[in-house]
Amino acid sequence: DTGVSQDPRHKITKRGQNVTFRCDPISEHNRLYWYRQTLGQGPEFLTYFQNEAQLEKSRLLSDRFSAERPKGSFSTLEIQRTEQGDSAMYLCASSLLTGTVAKTQYFGPGTRLLVL
Amino acid sequence: AQTVTQSQPEMSVQEAETVTLSCTYDTSESNYYLFWYKQPPSRQMILVIRQEAYKQQNATENRFSVNFQKAAKSFSLKISDSQLGDTAMYFCASSSQGGSEKLVFGKGTKLTVNP
Repeated sequence: DTGVSQDPRHKITKRGQNVTFRCDPISEHNRLYWYRQTLGQGPEFLTYFQNEAQLEKSRLLSDRFSAERPKGSFSTLEIQRTEQGDSAMYLCASSLLTGTVAKTQYFGPGTRLLVL
Repeated sequence: AQTVTQSQPEMSVQEAETVTLSCTYDTSESNYYLFWYKQPPSRQMILVIRQEAYKQQNATENRFSVNFQKAAKSFSLKISDSQLGDTAMYFCASSSQGGSEKLVFGKGTKLTVNP
């Protein structure tokens, strides 16, 4: 059983460029979450999917951010027109919802973004 | 809205000794979960221990145990027989049962285990 994987692990980009990150959850996990972690802080929720449906987006997620999970498996997070304030670690997590209770969230290694 | 507060930015402990990390939370939910996650340096976050709020018995996982005080909204983590591999950031988190069950994290406590 492989864990949650994320690609790339590191990304350096110039301000104004677009970037896209990928997350592959644990197979059979129907829930997928994106979090953002800045230096010295705990992760902050961005958005989550149940299968292919995006069910909630944080107010932190500006219009420049978009996330998809087209086939209910992997997910992508795109940031358009990056700003220096977007520099952070982007974490993906997945869990299995059975009945009305979601099980433990398992995290990937994260994608560290640096915007110059 | 849920909030989680960790008041100890950094702690240190000698190998083989016991250390307790503090966490307080606030929630209006009646059903919720509490978690401690560990994030070793440059490694991914892993679950240490989980507590269902409706359970009065404190959760334990080997050397890790919690002191869950529901009325005081306190959820501390005790690490016994500390090992060098316990050196990490520790995050306290809460989630509500049902709905998105998104995690709300505290700012973390950096624990260093000294040889």
